[in-house]
Amino acid sequence: GQQVMQIPQYQHVQEGEDFTTYCNSSTTLSNIQWYKQRPGGHPVFLIQLVKSGEVKKQKRLTFQFGEAKKNSSLHITATQTTDVGTYFCAGPEGGSNYKLTFGKGTLLTVNP
Amino acid sequence: DGGITQSPKYLFRKEGQNVTLSCEQNLNHDAMYWYRQDPGQGLRLIYYSQIVNDFQKGDIAEGYSVSREKKESFPLTVTSAQKNPTAFYLCASTRTQNQPQHFGDGTRLSIL
Repeated sequence: GQQVMQIPQYQHVQEGEDFTTYCNSSTTLSNIQWYKQRPGGHPVFLIQLVKSGEVKKQKRLTFQFGEAKKNSSLHITATQTTDVGTYFCAGPEGGSNYKLTFGKGTLLTVNP
Repeated sequence: DGGITQSPKYLFRKEGQNVTLSCEQNLNHDAMYWYRQDPGQGLRLIYYSQIVNDFQKGDIAEGYSVSREKKESFPLTVTSAQKNPTAFYLCASTRTQNQPQHFGDGTRLSIL
């Protein structure tokens, strides 16, 4: 079945440093979604990318969708303590646009 | 405010007991989902439902059952056949296919 891999699994940074997490799918995706889960909380939708090579920005967050639509990345510039949490990517499973396959996530911790 | 309400927040199960987790949404979303999250793990799909009176098994359906008698409600029963039920259970909904998922606050289930 479809697999969505994320690396790294953990990342610890000093406040102000940049952070990047990478997401790779075993199959071509029609779209990719990113979610953030704060410690003790629930996942919250951040963004959806649909087009090949698409780049979207939300303040200090930059999201990219690969040309082949099989990989994606999330880059945070100048991390803040409020960025702490687990970042998940998710893509629709082949044959069902209702069913999402989630990566295992990247846990970001930020040292103030 | 529209949203997804999960109850209870914490639940304890005795050996051999079935327990039911509640999930209600007032977003008028068609599809609803149940995920299981274990520490340090991503989200694994238990069951999902695209429309009322219809649902499909996810990747880890064994030991669980669901019903979808009303659009706004999607309860999950953790049966005694689920031998390792301790986890964080998340309910989600989405308006239609390829749309972002909205999550409830989750239910933490433990074994007594």
